[in-house]
Amino acid sequence: QKEVEQDPGPLSVPEGAIVSLNCTYSNSAFQYFMWYRQYSRKGPELLMYTYSSGNKEDGRFTAQVDKSSKYISLFIRDSQPSDSATYLCAMSGPTGFQKLVFGTGTRLLVSP
Amino acid sequence: GAGVSQSPSNKVTEKGKDVELRCDPISGHTALYWYRQRLGQGLEFLIYFQGNSAPDKSGLPSDRFSAERTGESVSTLTIQRTQQEDSAVYLCASSVDGGPNEKLFFGSGTQLSVL
Repeated sequence: QKEVEQDPGPLSVPEGAIVSLNCTYSNSAFQYFMWYRQYSRKGPELLMYTYSSGNKEDGRFTAQVDKSSKYISLFIRDSQPSDSATYLCAMSGPTGFQKLVFGTGTRLLVSP
Repeated sequence: GAGVSQSPSNKVTEKGKDVELRCDPISGHTALYWYRQRLGQGLEFLIYFQGNSAPDKSGLPSDRFSAERTGESVSTLTIQRTQQEDSAVYLCASSVDGGPNEKLFFGSGTQLSVL
């Protein structure tokens, strides 16, 4: 069983929709939870990170962490075609960003 | 430089050959990381450098893989006697000082194809 599970998609939505992306994990030692966005042929770019449980909001993006369920989510409001990319969740233990465990990524397609 | 630079962007090699992949981190970043992204899989951690030392190389998959960093700058990942399962995108990232909250900046990667 992988430490981090993520549905690969693709997830297709119309412009303006609310998008929900999710990951589950098995390692209870994870403390840092991140979401990266990766465009084709580019490296991942950090969108948001959360330490421990709770919610974090940044513009159209909201990240949620439920450590009791070992479940994290990223919500995108008012989705735009420019949001079309692969979204990767990543997690780590006390070392923080030094050693990340990634999900496989979910490919998101937002149609105009 | 403006960002993390990796070269070559694409490398095709024959099984059994050695390859070297290069990473130029953002100027002034002391921490440097190598990850591997195989098709349909998540990024896999390979090695982490702090300065020219590698405190964590636990992700290197076999002794055919090695990496070095010089001058607290450029890093080279070497794969000896390449195998088809080595085909992947090799990504390099750097951060300011490797602290737990330090954001990683990734390069665009080297696409390695082993025939």
